[in-house]
Amino acid sequence: DGGITQSPKYLFRKEGQNVTLSCEQNLNHDAMYWYRQDPGQGLRLIYYSQIVNDFQKGDIAEGYSVSREKKESFPLTVTSAQKNPTAFYLCASSASRQKSYEQYFGPGTRLTVT
Amino acid sequence: AQSVTQPDIHITVSEGASLELRCNYSYGATPYLFWYVQSPGQGLQLLLKYFSGDTLVQGIKGFEAEFKRSQSSFNLRKPSVHWSDAAEYFCAVGAYQTGANNLFFGTGTRLTVIP
Repeated sequence: DGGITQSPKYLFRKEGQNVTLSCEQNLNHDAMYWYRQDPGQGLRLIYYSQIVNDFQKGDIAEGYSVSREKKESFPLTVTSAQKNPTAFYLCASSASRQKSYEQYFGPGTRLTVT
Repeated sequence: AQSVTQPDIHITVSEGASLELRCNYSYGATPYLFWYVQSPGQGLQLLLKYFSGDTLVQGIKGFEAEFKRSQSSFNLRKPSVHWSDAAEYFCAVGAYQTGANNLFFGTGTRLTVIP
């Protein structure tokens, strides 16, 4: 089955530790995205990548980093510089070569930092 | 700049009743519009989309939405709500920005369905 997988579903970390969230897609999509979701705030864009080895900051990139070494993978690292990292993180992909805005989402990772 | 407003934070309807969720957008060009649904603790699922053509679009699960350019609206409707429709609904507008096709989301409307 084609789709987007995110792992793990739940993640717990101590304050001050970096943590990496996994996102993999087998849809052969060029573009991938990371969003953060907090109650009552909708989805906010953290980073996006239109092509391998290239990515751009979104609206709330501070305290986060990404890499895009393979087309299928777009991991997100939440660094210790992120002041309020506890949130629900969603990964998405789209077929940007067809100028498509339609994005497909993974199931999400809930990160809790204490 | 593009933006999406969903004026209703929370709506409660009885099972079998009709539903309308409101969405207003701000965008200078012809918009690409979407409705997504999210069950608790899950990712987002695309319900329907509008790119061009017929302003009334049909989606999955019996939902439809109507694009009204004069009102900058894209309201979601369903004639008879089922208990399984309880979820959070997000409206989004697609915009080309800094070399990429991005989606801009509203803050969502949470739907509660009572028996």
